[in-house]
Formats: sequence, C-alpha cells, structure tokens
Amino acid sequence: QSVLTQPPSVSGAPGQRVTISCTGSSSNIGAGYDVHWYQHLPGAAPKLIIYGNINRPSGVPDRFSGSKSGTSASLVITGLQAEDEADYYCQSYDTSLGGVGFGGGTKLTV
Amino acid sequence: QLQLRESGPGLVKPSQTLSLTCNVFNGSICSSSHYWAWIRQPPGKGPEWIGNIYCSGSTYYNPSLIGRVTISLDTPKNHFSLNLRSVTVADTAVFYCARLPVADDYLDVWGQGALVTVSS
Repeated sequence: QSVLTQPPSVSGAPGQRVTISCTGSSSNIGAGYDVHWYQHLPGAAPKLIIYGNINRPSGVPDRFSGSKSGTSASLVITGLQAEDEADYYCQSYDTSLGGVGFGGGTKLTV
Repeated sequence: QLQLRESGPGLVKPSQTLSLTCNVFNGSICSSSHYWAWIRQPPGKGPEWIGNIYCSGSTYYNPSLIGRVTISLDTPKNHFSLNLRSVTVADTAVFYCARLPVADDYLDVWGQGALVTVSS
C-alpha cells in the first residue's frame, strides 16, 4: 500500500492540459515535507521532473509544473505531447517510514 | 554525468537471499553530499523505498524490511550492495539503485533497474 494516493490514470489530447493529483497525510505532505515528481518511461530509469514542490531540474520543459497545498500536491502538464505518455509518481518523506514514500503512480495517455 | 547500474541474478529461489550490486560511474560513492538508496517496484504497483546508506556506513531501512535487509558499500570498488534474506514470491520486483542529496529527500539519479523474480 503506497503512502501517497494518485489516480491510476489520466488522459488528454495533444496540446491539452492535464493535472495529476497526489494526496498524502499528516505523516508526510501534511507535516510540511516537500513533494517531488518522477516521469517513468517503459524500460528507462525514472527521471526527476519536479523537486521541492515547484522546481524543475535543468532540461525539464516548463510545460511541467508542480504545486502543493495542505496534504496534497499536483503536477500539471500543459501543451501535451505524445512523448509525455508515461507513468508519473509523486514522492515525499514519510515520518512513519523514516524514509521516502511514493504514490502508486498515474499512467498518462496522450 | 553520474551513472548507476544494477547487476545481479535475475532469478532467486524462495527462502534464499537476493543480492544486487549498484556500480557508480563518473562519480565517487564517498560523497559527503549524498546518500545511496535502493528502491523496488513490484509488478503493477508503486515504488517502495528499501533503504539508504551513507559513505560512513550509516544505514536507514524501511521498517517493514528490518531483519531481512542489509545495505553495504565498498568504497574501493565504488559500489554499494543490497542483500534481502528469506525471499518469497512477494519480493519479485524491479530493483533500482538511486542517489539522494543529503540535504533533501528526492532521488536525483536512478539506475535502469534490474528485474528479480523469486520462483522455484
């Protein structure tokens, strides 16, 4: 059972905008810990696309943005492209684990 | 650019020990700025944190795996390792090694992953 909750799937047409939610609890997001997001393409290493709730690593397009409020966070992807089709995971620190906790993942279909 | 690569047997029998190694390329495993982690992802499920190790040898484990898991590092060989004892079919997963900045809790570099199947 994942410590963070994500919708199993979302979809959008090319050029559209999608939002992926991530819901936590008082032992992770609600305790003030940052949320990070990863993109996982089949057969590839997971790739960090948002860290510290809102920051993009170098090379990640500004079509990807993140936000956090209370015990939840969101990843927004605008101007959808076919290459964005992947699994997306949120992650935060969890005090009950004493380490990082993940969401179950959201499959984005473009 | 730092790269990580997992290696080890792809098939382990139930009750035996799963052993994997993560080789670190283009960087030193003894960085004062980073932890090294193992993550696993069972088929059809989300990732699960297994544990972290620091250059000093300090380790931090997922409470659900304490008693079965050991993470160690070999500084001269520039790699770190995972041993998971008494495996069952429920331990079948893709295992990833990754790096975390000490001052934060995100995983900024990941390996490609290694599928380990537990089956007789």
